Amino acid sequence: GENVEQHPSTLSVQEGDSAVIKCTYSDSASNYFPWYKQELGKGPQLIIDIRSNVGEKKDQRIAVTLNKTAKHFSLHITETQPEDSAVYFCAASMISGYSTLTFGKGTMLLVSP
Amino acid sequence: DVKVTQSSRYLVKRTGEKVFLECVQDMDHENMFWYRQDPGLGLRLIYFSYDVKMKEKGDIPEGYSVSREKKERFSLILESASTNQTSMYLCASSLTGVAQETQYFGPGTRLLVL
Repeated sequence: GENVEQHPSTLSVQEGDSAVIKCTYSDSASNYFPWYKQELGKGPQLIIDIRSNVGEKKDQRIAVTLNKTAKHFSLHITETQPEDSAVYFCAASMISGYSTLTFGKGTMLLVSP
Repeated sequence: DVKVTQSSRYLVKRTGEKVFLECVQDMDHENMFWYRQDPGLGLRLIYFSYDVKMKEKGDIPEGYSVSREKKERFSLILESASTNQTSMYLCASSLTGVAQETQYFGPGTRLLVL
């Protein structure tokens, strides 16, 4: 089955800096890669996703890049703010049938004012 | 807004007890999921259901069972709770059975088994 590795496990940045979280996956058939953000005391919430026919996707301060050849994808957050502090999960799946998401182990991002 | 609710935020049970965790979604979603979340292990899928009375095993189904008698409700059952089932349990739902659909999560139930 699919295996998703996520790094780093913790990341501390100063407000205004950029943050990058990287994930690798093992199954070359995977073609859907979402990112979820989990704030303290809440369930994860989708923030951005990318499909394998696209190399990069941006949404305001958040961007995701995908390298299918190397089987890795990354989340980039620019101009970080304290409210970006949360646990971020990457995931991978195939867009077929009832394929399920395989999640990475998570990255705790701390943005200091 | 999609709302996924879980019956309890915190639960304390004794070893050997039968435990029921309830999840309800209000958006007529077809798919429902149960995950457990442990520090350093991320989110691991226990069971999912793509229709009423249908269930599929996830990655770690041992020691758990599920029930989906109505479309909006998905229950996770620990037949005989053990201390290694102490964890955060997250329920999620998605509109259809296609994997690329957004999953909407509940706030979680933190279960302590003594």
